[in-house]
Amino acid sequence: GAVVSQHPSWVICKSGTSVKIECRSLDFQATTMFWYRQFPKQSLMLMATSNEGSKATYEQGVEKDKFLINHASLTLSTLTVTSAHPEDSSFYICSARAGTNYGYTFGSGTRLTVV
Amino acid sequence: GENVEQHPSTLSVQEGDSAVIKCTYSDSASNYFPWYKQELGKRPQLIIDIRSNVGEKKDQRIAVTLNKTAKHFSLHITETQPEDSAVYFCAAPRAANDYKLSFGAGTTVTVRA
Repeated sequence: GAVVSQHPSWVICKSGTSVKIECRSLDFQATTMFWYRQFPKQSLMLMATSNEGSKATYEQGVEKDKFLINHASLTLSTLTVTSAHPEDSSFYICSARAGTNYGYTFGSGTRLTVV
Repeated sequence: GENVEQHPSTLSVQEGDSAVIKCTYSDSASNYFPWYKQELGKRPQLIIDIRSNVGEKKDQRIAVTLNKTAKHFSLHITETQPEDSAVYFCAAPRAANDYKLSFGAGTTVTVRA
């Protein structure tokens, strides 16, 4: 079945630094990648949608200059949290659309802690 | 856009009993309703889904029912086991022909041995 690899699984960074999270589709071409943020005991909140070769579409209230998304190939999308602050600490998960209408496959998630 | 409400937020059941989680949606044009199971610190996993052209779908101990008139769909887990303990999320498309999903708030299910 479709597999999405997400790295790192967890990261601790200092306030003010940037962190890059990668999602790779291992055995399929992900034309669309969704990036979610999940706070403890809360639901998945869509941050942005990226399509290969084009600019990402951000949800209302999500700062595009703070959460940089790159989807340069059909198998790789990255999310960079720039100038991270403690309030950015969260669980970030990617989800790739595998070509069928609703064929979503989630990455394993990245636990970001900003200290 | 689609508004998905999920109830209850927590559910505790005795092993062997059934668990039912209900979600309501607002857009009558929605045509796809998945359910995801998420264990602590792990990725959501699709456990079952249903399209609007059927009223019920079953997969072993898990079933999903859809009532299009009332705009709600439910997850049924029978003969619950400790490994069913997790957070369950329902979802629906944000709009007709939109492949983005709106997720419910989640239900934490605890199966007591």
